Amino acid sequence: EDQVTQSPEALRLQEGESSSLNCSYTVSGLRGLFWYRQDPGKGPEFLFTLYSAGEEKEKERLKATLTKKESFLHITAPKPEDSATYLCAAQYNFNKFYFGSGTKLNVKP
Amino acid sequence: GAVVSQHPSWVICKSGTSVKIECRSLDFQATTMFWYRQFPKQSLMLMATSNEGSKATYEQGVEKDKFLINHASLTLSTLTVTSAHPEDSSFYICSASAGTGEPRNYGYTFGSGTRLTVV
Repeated sequence: EDQVTQSPEALRLQEGESSSLNCSYTVSGLRGLFWYRQDPGKGPEFLFTLYSAGEEKEKERLKATLTKKESFLHITAPKPEDSATYLCAAQYNFNKFYFGSGTKLNVKP
Repeated sequence: GAVVSQHPSWVICKSGTSVKIECRSLDFQATTMFWYRQFPKQSLMLMATSNEGSKATYEQGVEKDKFLINHASLTLSTLTVTSAHPEDSSFYICSASAGTGEPRNYGYTFGSGTRLTVV
Protein backbone atom coordinates (compact mmCIF):
# COMPACT_ATOMS: atom_id res chain seq x y z
CA GLU A 1 0.00 0.00 0.00
CA ASP A 2 1.33 3.40 -0.98
CA GLN A 3 1.95 5.68 1.95
CA VAL A 4 4.03 8.53 3.29
CA THR A 5 5.12 8.64 6.94
CA GLN A 6 6.77 11.58 8.66
CA SER A 7 8.70 11.51 11.90
CA PRO A 8 8.84 12.79 14.48
CA GLU A 9 5.32 14.16 14.85
CA ALA A 10 6.68 17.07 16.85
CA LEU A 11 10.16 18.42 17.45
CA ARG A 12 11.34 21.04 19.92
CA LEU A 13 14.72 22.65 19.32
CA GLN A 14 16.68 25.41 20.90
CA GLU A 15 17.69 28.19 18.58
CA GLY A 16 20.88 27.10 16.83
CA GLU A 17 20.35 23.40 17.53
CA SER A 18 20.50 21.58 14.19
CA SER A 19 18.36 18.53 13.47
CA SER A 20 16.67 16.50 10.73
CA LEU A 21 13.08 15.63 9.84
CA ASN A 22 12.32 12.31 8.19
CA CYS A 23 9.87 11.42 5.43
CA SER A 24 9.62 7.71 4.59
CA TYR A 25 7.67 6.70 1.54
CA THR A 26 6.46 3.57 -0.15
CA VAL A 27 5.08 4.79 -3.44
CA SER A 28 5.14 2.92 -6.71
CA GLY A 29 6.51 4.94 -9.53
CA LEU A 30 7.54 7.99 -7.52
CA ARG A 31 7.64 11.03 -9.78
CA GLY A 32 8.85 13.52 -7.21
CA LEU A 33 9.17 14.20 -3.48
CA PHE A 34 7.95 17.62 -2.38
CA TRP A 35 8.56 19.51 0.84
CA TYR A 36 6.23 22.23 2.08
CA ARG A 37 6.08 24.51 5.09
CA GLN A 38 2.70 25.17 6.67
CA ASP A 39 2.02 27.86 9.26
CA PRO A 40 -1.04 27.57 11.53
CA GLY A 41 -4.27 28.34 9.70
CA LYS A 42 -2.48 28.75 6.38
CA GLY A 43 -2.01 26.75 3.23
CA PRO A 44 1.29 24.96 2.55
CA GLU A 45 4.19 26.93 1.07
CA PHE A 46 6.41 25.19 -1.46
CA LEU A 47 10.03 24.57 -0.43
CA PHE A 48 11.68 21.88 -2.58
CA THR A 49 11.16 19.12 -5.10
CA LEU A 50 13.52 16.15 -5.35
CA TYR A 51 13.41 13.66 -8.18
CA SER A 52 16.22 11.15 -7.95
CA ALA A 53 18.09 9.34 -5.19
CA GLY A 54 21.15 11.28 -4.16
CA GLU A 55 19.67 14.62 -5.10
CA GLU A 56 20.05 17.51 -2.64
CA LYS A 57 18.58 20.99 -2.57
CA GLU A 58 19.26 23.88 -0.23
CA LYS A 59 17.49 27.04 0.76
CA GLU A 60 18.86 29.20 3.54
CA ARG A 61 19.00 26.98 6.65
CA LEU A 62 17.17 24.08 5.02
CA LYS A 63 18.60 21.22 3.00
CA ALA A 64 16.54 18.38 1.57
CA THR A 65 17.98 15.03 0.54
CA LEU A 66 16.46 11.96 -1.10
CA THR A 67 17.14 8.24 -1.07
CA LYS A 68 15.11 5.43 -2.61
CA LYS A 69 13.06 5.03 0.57
CA GLU A 70 13.13 8.32 2.41
CA SER A 71 13.82 12.01 2.35
CA PHE A 72 15.36 14.17 5.03
CA LEU A 73 14.90 17.85 5.71
CA HIS A 74 17.97 19.08 7.55
CA ILE A 75 17.67 22.29 9.51
CA THR A 76 20.95 23.97 10.36
CA ALA A 77 21.11 26.48 13.21
CA PRO A 78 17.34 27.04 13.23
CA LYS A 79 15.75 30.30 14.29
CA PRO A 80 12.36 30.82 15.96
CA GLU A 81 10.91 31.94 12.63
CA ASP A 82 11.54 28.43 11.30
CA SER A 83 8.81 27.17 13.63
CA ALA A 84 6.06 25.63 11.49
CA THR A 85 4.72 22.29 10.36
CA TYR A 86 6.76 20.73 7.59
CA LEU A 87 4.93 18.49 5.15
CA CYS A 88 6.33 16.10 2.62
CA ALA A 89 4.36 14.81 -0.34
CA ALA A 90 5.12 12.01 -2.79
CA GLN A 91 3.93 12.56 -6.34
CA TYR A 92 2.67 9.28 -7.79
CA ASN A 93 0.88 10.55 -10.83
CA PHE A 94 0.63 13.77 -12.74
CA ASN A 95 -0.93 16.24 -10.31
CA LYS A 96 -1.51 13.58 -7.63
CA PHE A 97 0.23 13.34 -4.30
CA TYR A 98 0.27 11.42 -1.06
CA PHE A 99 0.89 13.83 1.80
CA GLY A 100 2.49 12.95 5.11
CA SER A 101 0.85 14.17 8.31
CA GLY A 102 3.68 16.57 8.98
CA THR A 103 6.30 17.35 11.61
CA LYS A 104 5.50 20.27 13.87
CA LEU A 105 8.73 22.13 14.58
CA ASN A 106 9.03 24.52 17.50
CA VAL A 107 12.27 26.49 17.80
CA LYS A 108 12.73 28.27 21.11
CA PRO A 109 14.89 31.36 21.44
CA GLY B 1 5.35 34.77 -7.70
CA ALA B 2 2.19 32.78 -8.23
CA VAL B 3 -0.56 33.66 -5.77
CA VAL B 4 -3.73 31.75 -5.01
CA SER B 5 -6.40 33.57 -3.05
CA GLN B 6 -9.00 31.62 -1.10
CA HIS B 7 -12.11 33.11 0.41
CA PRO B 8 -13.50 33.08 3.03
CA SER B 9 -10.73 32.20 5.46
CA TRP B 10 -13.26 30.97 7.97
CA VAL B 11 -16.98 30.39 8.03
CA ILE B 12 -19.51 29.15 10.54
CA CYS B 13 -22.79 27.82 9.21
CA LYS B 14 -25.85 26.06 10.50
CA SER B 15 -26.41 22.39 9.84
CA GLY B 16 -28.37 21.88 6.64
CA THR B 17 -27.22 25.03 4.90
CA SER B 18 -24.78 25.32 1.98
CA VAL B 19 -21.44 27.09 1.94
CA LYS B 20 -19.43 28.26 -1.06
CA ILE B 21 -15.64 28.59 -0.99
CA GLU B 22 -13.81 30.47 -3.73
CA CYS B 23 -10.32 29.85 -5.03
CA ARG B 24 -8.73 32.38 -7.38
CA SER B 25 -5.39 32.40 -9.14
CA LEU B 26 -4.42 36.07 -9.01
CA ASP B 27 -1.51 36.39 -11.41
CA PHE B 28 -1.69 33.31 -13.57
CA GLN B 29 -4.20 31.15 -15.37
CA ALA B 30 -4.93 27.74 -13.96
CA THR B 31 -6.67 25.21 -16.15
CA THR B 32 -6.55 22.81 -13.24
CA MET B 33 -7.12 23.45 -9.56
CA PHE B 34 -7.23 21.01 -6.71
CA TRP B 35 -9.34 20.83 -3.58
CA TYR B 36 -7.98 19.27 -0.40
CA ARG B 37 -9.37 18.61 3.03
CA GLN B 38 -7.24 18.59 6.15
CA PHE B 39 -8.22 17.34 9.59
CA PRO B 40 -6.22 18.40 12.67
CA LYS B 41 -2.84 16.68 12.85
CA GLN B 42 -3.62 14.74 9.69
CA SER B 43 -2.36 14.96 6.17
CA LEU B 44 -3.99 16.75 3.28
CA MET B 45 -6.43 14.53 1.42
CA LEU B 46 -7.18 15.30 -2.20
CA MET B 47 -10.93 15.59 -2.69
CA ALA B 48 -11.20 16.49 -6.33
CA THR B 49 -9.48 17.93 -9.35
CA SER B 50 -11.23 20.90 -10.87
CA ASN B 51 -10.92 21.33 -14.63
CA GLU B 52 -11.81 24.58 -16.36
CA GLY B 53 -14.79 24.13 -18.62
CA SER B 54 -15.46 20.53 -17.72
CA LYS B 55 -16.64 18.35 -14.89
CA ALA B 56 -14.49 17.89 -11.83
CA THR B 57 -12.82 14.57 -11.13
CA TYR B 58 -13.57 13.31 -7.64
CA GLU B 59 -11.43 10.99 -5.56
CA GLN B 60 -12.84 7.72 -4.37
CA GLY B 61 -15.12 8.14 -1.40
CA VAL B 62 -15.86 11.83 -2.00
CA GLU B 63 -19.54 12.56 -2.59
CA LYS B 64 -19.83 14.64 -5.74
CA ASP B 65 -23.39 15.69 -4.91
CA LYS B 66 -22.30 16.99 -1.56
CA PHE B 67 -19.15 18.77 -2.66
CA LEU B 68 -20.05 20.67 -5.81
CA ILE B 69 -17.14 22.04 -7.79
CA ASN B 70 -17.38 24.62 -10.52
CA HIS B 71 -14.42 25.87 -12.54
CA ALA B 72 -16.05 28.47 -14.75
CA SER B 73 -12.95 30.42 -15.71
CA LEU B 74 -9.19 30.05 -15.88
CA THR B 75 -8.80 31.94 -12.62
CA LEU B 76 -11.70 30.80 -10.46
CA SER B 77 -12.82 27.51 -8.97
CA THR B 78 -15.53 27.18 -6.34
CA LEU B 79 -16.35 24.43 -3.88
CA THR B 80 -19.87 24.34 -2.49
CA VAL B 81 -20.54 22.17 0.53
CA THR B 82 -24.23 21.38 0.26
CA SER B 83 -26.48 20.52 3.20
CA ALA B 84 -23.54 20.81 5.53
CA HIS B 85 -23.36 18.70 8.68
CA PRO B 86 -21.01 18.90 11.67
CA GLU B 87 -18.87 16.09 10.25
CA ASP B 88 -18.10 18.35 7.27
CA SER B 89 -16.29 20.72 9.62
CA SER B 90 -12.69 20.80 8.44
CA PHE B 91 -9.96 22.89 6.86
CA TYR B 92 -10.42 23.09 3.09
CA ILE B 93 -7.49 24.12 0.91
CA CYS B 94 -7.25 24.71 -2.82
CA SER B 95 -4.13 24.64 -4.94
CA ALA B 96 -3.12 25.34 -8.49
CA SER B 97 -0.10 24.94 -10.67
CA ALA B 98 1.37 28.05 -12.24
CA GLY B 99 3.35 26.09 -14.77
CA THR B 100 2.77 23.56 -17.46
CA GLY B 101 4.03 20.02 -17.55
CA GLU B 102 5.71 18.51 -14.53
CA PRO B 103 5.85 20.81 -11.48
CA ARG B 104 9.62 20.52 -11.25
CA ASN B 105 10.72 23.81 -9.82
CA TYR B 106 7.60 25.54 -8.64
CA GLY B 107 5.52 22.89 -6.94
CA TYR B 108 1.94 23.88 -6.48
CA THR B 109 0.69 27.11 -4.99
CA PHE B 110 -1.79 26.67 -2.20
CA GLY B 111 -4.49 29.01 -1.02
CA SER B 112 -4.56 30.08 2.61
CA GLY B 113 -7.36 27.66 3.40
CA THR B 114 -10.91 27.93 4.72
CA ARG B 115 -11.85 26.79 8.18
CA LEU B 116 -15.44 25.52 8.02
CA THR B 117 -17.36 24.95 11.22
CA VAL B 118 -20.86 23.52 10.97
CA VAL B 119 -22.99 23.94 14.09
